[in-house]
Amino acid sequence: AQSVSQHNHHVILSEAASLELGCNYSYGGTVNLFWYVQYPGQHLQLLLKYFSGDPLVKGIKGFEAEFIKSKFSFNLRKPSVQWSDTAEYFCAVSSASKIIFGSGTRLSIRP
Amino acid sequence: KAGVTQTPRYLIKTRGQQVTLSCSPISGHRSVSWYQQTPGQGLQFLFEYFSETQRNKGNFPGRFSGRQFSNSRSEMNVSTLELGDSALYLCASSGDSASYNEQFFGPGTRLTVL
Repeated sequence: AQSVSQHNHHVILSEAASLELGCNYSYGGTVNLFWYVQYPGQHLQLLLKYFSGDPLVKGIKGFEAEFIKSKFSFNLRKPSVQWSDTAEYFCAVSSASKIIFGSGTRLSIRP
Repeated sequence: KAGVTQTPRYLIKTRGQQVTLSCSPISGHRSVSWYQQTPGQGLQFLFEYFSETQRNKGNFPGRFSGRQFSNSRSEMNVSTLELGDSALYLCASSGDSASYNEQFFGPGTRLTVL
């Protein structure tokens, strides 16, 4: 069955630290990959997406993610986090007929 | 452009009742998807409508149903409510004909079943 795993439930970093949030999925076919973010008190919004082409995709606010097909992974990265990056981050994987979200990773940034 | 709106924002029902939630997508968007979000199960896909037709469906019982109108507004209905249906129900719209591409989420309807 298709599944998405985000192993880090809560990550705490200091400002200017580098960030990497893991996302692994299980599905044998063609997939599209997404990262969504939910800032406190705001709606879920798309951070970045991968459909095809360059496996390194860049999103808003300096975020990027790399699709590694052999590892079934789509990890989210940011070289230097800011306090305003405090949010919950969701990885999602879609096939032709369904979309599955990971359980989310809460990111807390210490000022 | 106005964002995705959902009404009502909060709802309290008792077991056995039914409920209808409404979602108005961003103007021009023809795809509307519904999700259930709970602390235990996370965000789970319910169904997607595109041009008034259900295009995709998640693994929820038949008590969960939906429809989409010609103006792309969508409603979701849950019949014979159970305690486990307490959740935040999110609606998302997309202007792309491909499913799930760049979805814009609404604020959600918080349903409490007593």
